[in-house]
Amino acid sequence: AQSVTQPDIHITVSEGASLELRCNYSYGATPYLFWYVQSPGQGLQLLLKYFSGDTLVQGIKGFEAEFKRSQSSFNLRKPSVHWSDAAEYFCAVGQGGSEKLVFGKGTKLTVNP
Amino acid sequence: GAGVSQSPSNKVTEKGKDVELRCDPISGHTALYWYRQRLGQGLEFLIYFQGNSAPDKSGLPSDRFSAERTGESVSTLTIQRTQQEDSAVYLCASRANRGRAGELFFGEGSRLTVL
Repeated sequence: AQSVTQPDIHITVSEGASLELRCNYSYGATPYLFWYVQSPGQGLQLLLKYFSGDTLVQGIKGFEAEFKRSQSSFNLRKPSVHWSDAAEYFCAVGQGGSEKLVFGKGTKLTVNP
Repeated sequence: GAGVSQSPSNKVTEKGKDVELRCDPISGHTALYWYRQRLGQGLEFLIYFQGNSAPDKSGLPSDRFSAERTGESVSTLTIQRTQQEDSAVYLCASRANRGRAGELFFGEGSRLTVL
């Protein structure tokens, strides 16, 4: 069965530092991959998505992610974190044969001033 | 409406009672999803509706859970004889059209607490 693993439950970074959130998936074919962000008290918002083509995708709020087939990874990055980026981040994969998204358990990001 | 609307935002109930959660998707969105988010966990898929096709119910955890959707409008998730393990945030999402690639738009969720 398809699965998504986010190895880091909680990450703390200082404001202005770079960020990388890890995501690994288990899926036989080329997946559709997504990153969503959930800010406190708000619904999930799409940051970026990968379907095909260029393996480096740009998203909103200065985020980017790189698809690496050989590593089954889709890590999220940001060169300089802002305090407003504190939130929970979810990686998701589009599941073949159906239209449901399978989500990871999330990584909670804390940003220190 | 402008976004996905869910009600109630918070619901506290006693064990054994039935609850209904409502989702009003973005107008014109054909696909509608229900997910469950338990504390410290990821989003667990429950059910998916696409237009007038038969729903994908493969994620419903037991026969106490059911959901309905009339056409491409409001959906209701019903939990019968609630148990404490049903406590969670229930998230609804909608998507504009068919296909795995589309963006899901999420509501803010209904937080259910079963005492």
